[in-house]
Amino acid sequence: AQRVTQPEKLLSVFKGAPVELKCNYSYSGSPELFWYVQYSRQRLQLLLRHISRESIKGFTADLNKGETSFHLKKPFAQEEDSAMYYCALSRSYKLIFGSGTRLLVRP
Amino acid sequence: KAGVTQTPRYLIKTRGQQVTLSCSPISGHRSVSWYQQTPGQGLQFLFEYFSETQRNKGNFPGRFSGRQFSNSRSEMNVSTLELGDSALYLCASSLEGNRDYGYTFGSGTRLTVV
Repeated sequence: AQRVTQPEKLLSVFKGAPVELKCNYSYSGSPELFWYVQYSRQRLQLLLRHISRESIKGFTADLNKGETSFHLKKPFAQEEDSAMYYCALSRSYKLIFGSGTRLLVRP
Repeated sequence: KAGVTQTPRYLIKTRGQQVTLSCSPISGHRSVSWYQQTPGQGLQFLFEYFSETQRNKGNFPGRFSGRQFSNSRSEMNVSTLELGDSALYLCASSLEGNRDYGYTFGSGTRLTVV
């Protein structure tokens, strides 16, 4: 069965520190993966699509098929990055979400 | 460009009642999908519609149903409400449900069942 795992419920870092939010997936085919972010009191927003290999707000994510991972990284965290982050796998017209990681960036 | 619009924003219903939630997708988007978000279960897929046809359905009881109209607007209905149906219901739209473009989410409808 397809599954997305985000092992950390909470990740707390200081401003300026590097950030890595972990995401592992279970899928035998070619995965289509996304990162979504939900800031406090705001709607769920698309942050990254693996297929575009773009960098948004300084975040990047690389698909590692060997490790079945799609970790989200940022070299220097900012306080405004504090939010809930969800990794998602797209399959058969639906998104399968991980349980999410709350990132807290402290000053 | 208007985003995904969900109405109402908040609802309070009594057990046993039924409820209808509405979603207007981004103009030009023909795929609409619904998700339930709860603290315990996270984000779970309910169903997806494209050109008035349901293409996929999640593991929810038959009390949960939906439909899509010719203008791509969608509604979901929950009958015989249970306390466990209390959740944030999110609608997402996409051009064609094409995974490459991702999905744009609405702000959600917060349903409370008492």
